[in-house]
Amino acid sequence: EADIYQTPRYLVIGTGKKITLECSQTMGHDKMYWYQQDPGMELHLIHYSYGVNSTEKGDLSSESTVSRIRTEHFPLTLESARPSHTSQYLCASSEAGTVRGETQYFGPGTRLLVL
Amino acid sequence: GNSVTQMEGPVTLSEEAFLTINCTYTATGYPSLFWYVQYPGEGLQLLLKATKADDKGSNKGFEATYRKETTSFHLEKGSVQVSDSAVYFCALERDTGFQKLVFGTGTRLLVSP
Repeated sequence: EADIYQTPRYLVIGTGKKITLECSQTMGHDKMYWYQQDPGMELHLIHYSYGVNSTEKGDLSSESTVSRIRTEHFPLTLESARPSHTSQYLCASSEAGTVRGETQYFGPGTRLLVL
Repeated sequence: GNSVTQMEGPVTLSEEAFLTINCTYTATGYPSLFWYVQYPGEGLQLLLKATKADDKGSNKGFEATYRKETTSFHLEKGSVQVSDSAVYFCALERDTGFQKLVFGTGTRLLVSP
């Protein structure tokens, strides 16, 4: 059973507000990821991290930012939320190394609605 | 480039029916291939995987075989249950150096009693 947590699970917020989506894992994984899942279900990688103090942008351009100050914690921040940010955000993690076929472990997701 | 194409849903079946969800891929080299499943209200979880040609991944009665010649990784189950209702994602591992996954668009499976 994966131990990766996301809070809040649901968030409804007004335009212009600053929000932070939390993601924590207790597996000691070095690699962490943020995906955006649109209503059509497709997943897009928006951020990833190799480890502490390492963050990279993913395939889909996003106005969000991330930080990785502790191994277990990978929060995502939107400085000014807009309706176009309405989506589901999924956090995931995997072990370090270059083994083929590594499993990614996903959190339950945060459903964000920006009014 | 790298891409994954899977059949559109929803796939609607009666309990105990045979399931096939098609997945084909385009990639350089020989990527690892995965099936992830997303149950309602949850995140994704790994269902099965295969890391080289002709490998068969299996779990919970589901199977998929890595076919290099047809660049396919079709998901099958002999007898579906209502509890199998979920969204199924085919994915490939694009970059072994950092394990970036490329996902298909997902196929929703609905199983009725």
